[in-house]
Amino acid sequence: DTEVTQTPKHLVMGMTNKKSLKCEQHMGHRAMYWYKQKAKKPPELMFVYSYEKLSINESVPSRFSPECPNSSLLNLHLHALQPEDSALYLCASSQTIIPYEQYFGPGTRLTVT
Amino acid sequence: GQQVMQIPQYQHVQEGEDFTTYCNSSTTLSNIQWYKQRPGGHPVFLIQLVKSGEVKKQKRLTFQFGEAKKNSSLHITATQTTDVGTYFCAGPTSGTYKYIFGTGTRLKVLA
Repeated sequence: DTEVTQTPKHLVMGMTNKKSLKCEQHMGHRAMYWYKQKAKKPPELMFVYSYEKLSINESVPSRFSPECPNSSLLNLHLHALQPEDSALYLCASSQTIIPYEQYFGPGTRLTVT
Repeated sequence: GQQVMQIPQYQHVQEGEDFTTYCNSSTTLSNIQWYKQRPGGHPVFLIQLVKSGEVKKQKRLTFQFGEAKKNSSLHITATQTTDVGTYFCAGPTSGTYKYIFGTGTRLKVLA
């Protein structure tokens, strides 16, 4: 199984809502990532987890809160987002922290109203 | 900070024509990865290059890593409509394993 799954596929939320994005992989990978991608732009790294510990936080605003409950799951908790946070949120995993190839999930298309 | 630029930004080709995208880093890279993202899809890993001057082939795709390890290229021979998408290179920032994606080249193939 070389699949990374993400739920939900689409999410519309108001600026006062709290929601969570979920990501799961069953490849035994020990590194997991959150990326943000705006239309026609490259993915931008947000967070990296290595062996379930937060390894990299790219100065992401605190309204985004990552969580890695176990080696297969990665969550991104969202609170008080702004319209400019609307984007495709991609989860990825790799065998260990890169330079191994990253497997991306299909993403969650987030719209903040 | 470190930048990874790709040219061209867009390329339209007739089916059967060749295509090349170039990736240039402002700093030396320990390795470089290439990804393809279809319209509406997610990035899919194509290849990783590690050695200076390395050349790797995958069917109609040829990847090169520059001698100075600051640039790379992807060449597609005889494009097909299935090659449509955006091609990204990605390289690690200096001294870290944090990858920066290049600006991308969007390829459109006209049948």
